[in-house]
Amino acid sequence: AQTVTQSQPEMSVQEAETVTLSCTYDTSESDYYLFWYKQPPSRQMILVIRQEAYKQQNATENRFSVNFQKAAKSFSLKISDSQLGDAAMYFCAYYCGSAGNMLTFGGGTRLMVKP
Amino acid sequence: EAGVAQSPRYKIIEKRQSVAFWCNPISGHATLYWYQQILGQGPKLLIQFQNNGVVDDSQLPKDRFSAERLKGVDSTLKIQPAKLEDSAVYLCASSLEPGLGGTDTQYFGPGTRLTVL
Repeated sequence: AQTVTQSQPEMSVQEAETVTLSCTYDTSESDYYLFWYKQPPSRQMILVIRQEAYKQQNATENRFSVNFQKAAKSFSLKISDSQLGDAAMYFCAYYCGSAGNMLTFGGGTRLMVKP
Repeated sequence: EAGVAQSPRYKIIEKRQSVAFWCNPISGHATLYWYQQILGQGPKLLIQFQNNGVVDDSQLPKDRFSAERLKGVDSTLKIQPAKLEDSAVYLCASSLEPGLGGTDTQYFGPGTRLTVL
């Protein structure tokens, strides 16, 4: 079974600084997708960024970028120029269509942004 | 475009009582998902619908949980009878297509926070 692990329960960053959230996963599949979701106190999960495993190029969305290391099964999220609105729970998630339709989430990292 | 709607936002019940949650997905989205998110954990998929048919309910505790999507639009998740360990946030999500193989995305609702006393 696929597992997703986020080893940092909490992270803190100064406003305008850069922070990196870690995620590792376990799979025997070669073709899959990885996601980072943001969950603010409102509880609504918002997609931040996605990465297709067959693409070597790391995904980027404005201030958010990933470092995808397929061989190491690592998928970290870098947030540049952190803003107060970035404070939230961040969840890493894995999906593989050939191994069921399930989106498997990690345990989450709480990001605090200090003004 | 309206997002995924869920109601109620909060619910408090005694153990052994019944409770139902409602979800209305984004218009035109064929696939609907129910997730359970226990405090301090990531969401766990309970059931997935494609139109009005069940695609995956392998993690749904069928002795007490049931879900339906009769007309392929909105959906209801029921718990009967509730246990203390059912206290969680219940999230509904929808997507245009099943799975996430293309450029499709799962859009989540605000969730229902259930407290079982």
